[in-house]
Amino acid sequence: GESVGLHLPTLSVQEGDNSIINCAYSNSASDYFIWYKQESGKGPQFIIDIRSNMDKRQGQRVTVLLNKTVKHLSLQIAATQPGDSAVYFCADLQGGKLIFGQGTELSVKP
Amino acid sequence: SQTIHQWPATLVQPVGSPLSLECTVEGTSNPNLYWYRQAAGRGLQLLFYSVGIGQISSEVPQNLSASRPQDRQFILSSKKLLLSDSGFYLCAWSFSTGQPQHFGDGTRLSIL
Repeated sequence: GESVGLHLPTLSVQEGDNSIINCAYSNSASDYFIWYKQESGKGPQFIIDIRSNMDKRQGQRVTVLLNKTVKHLSLQIAATQPGDSAVYFCADLQGGKLIFGQGTELSVKP
Repeated sequence: SQTIHQWPATLVQPVGSPLSLECTVEGTSNPNLYWYRQAAGRGLQLLFYSVGIGQISSEVPQNLSASRPQDRQFILSSKKLLLSDSGFYLCAWSFSTGQPQHFGDGTRLSIL
């Protein structure tokens, strides 16, 4: 069946460094991906999305890269800040249903 | 702008008791609405979704049910809670099927 998975359950970075969170998917027909940020005790918050007709999309301090050849996407956070500490999920929107990965917990060291 | 509200934020219920969690959306009409459960702070599982009043699709067989009595109101219910119903329940909305979903802040449900 279809699945979405992140490569690392946890990631620790120094404040000011760049963070890269990776995600792999299995469904070749997947064409729309969303990254969410979830802080403790809160619901997931939309960060950025990308459709399969693009291989890169940029937002404020965040960039998502999509490699359809190897079915891989990544979220890059520039100049990571303490407020970026959270669990990050990639999700694949298929037929109106979000298929979530298991999440990567990002910790930012001061 | 659109906002989504869920309540209560936390709930402790005994096994066998009924459940009613409510979710409302403001600032849009005829949204798609969703109920998810998140176990152990990780991946979310879709439980129910609705594309209109009275229209409910169930994704997994379980002890829960959902209803949409009004356009922007989505309710998650159970007649008798089980221990396995414990978890973090999240409501979400989207403009349409192919659009991003936006989440509320969830209800932490503990069953004793």
